[in-house]
Amino acid sequence: EAQVTQNPRYLITVTGKKLTVTCSQNMNHEYMSWYRQDPGLGLRQIYYSMNVEVTDKGDVPEGYKVSRKEKRNFPLILESPSPNQTSLYFCASSLRGSSSGANVLTFGAGSRLTVL
Amino acid sequence: DAKTTQPNSMESNEEEPVHLPCNHSTISGTDYIHWYRQLPSQGPEYVIHGLTSNVNNRMASLAIAEDRKSSTLILHRATLRDAAVYYCILRDGPYNTDKLIFGTGTRLQVFP
Repeated sequence: EAQVTQNPRYLITVTGKKLTVTCSQNMNHEYMSWYRQDPGLGLRQIYYSMNVEVTDKGDVPEGYKVSRKEKRNFPLILESPSPNQTSLYFCASSLRGSSSGANVLTFGAGSRLTVL
Repeated sequence: DAKTTQPNSMESNEEEPVHLPCNHSTISGTDYIHWYRQLPSQGPEYVIHGLTSNVNNRMASLAIAEDRKSSTLILHRATLRDAAVYYCILRDGPYNTDKLIFGTGTRLQVFP
């Protein structure tokens, strides 16, 4: 089944303890992206990647890192999590970027992160 | 940045058509208009997209204004399963970048 898989789905951690949220897609998509969703603020883009080794900042990149060493994986790294990073995170992928018009995004089920 | 404006919420009764508006007055000539929806406790899912002409698929129709500064997502017969938050988005930034802005969307309530 074509899908975007995120792990963990739920995580409670403490301030300053490094964590990684993994994202993997099995559709050979070039484009991948991370979003966070907070009440009243909608979905905001954190980082995106147009292809392997190509990443760029979205609207709210502060406090996050990403890497794209392989086409299928796009992990989101929180080096020193803080309570304001408590949020619902979504990973998404598409065949390629919207410059080709074929930007139909497939989203993962979400990862709910709580930082105490 | 190319942004969209949508009403915060809308209501409909089951079996009735629903027209969800979206304003995007700063759209550029090569921006595609995309619609996604997010059902409760799920990730967003693709609904439809278009460039200039009206589009139809099994889920919905997309009507795009002639000047492309607005569009309308049409659900022809709303069902309870259509209750969700609907997002209208545009590609943002220069060609070959993909900084997408989702906004807060329209929360659609469907009543039996």
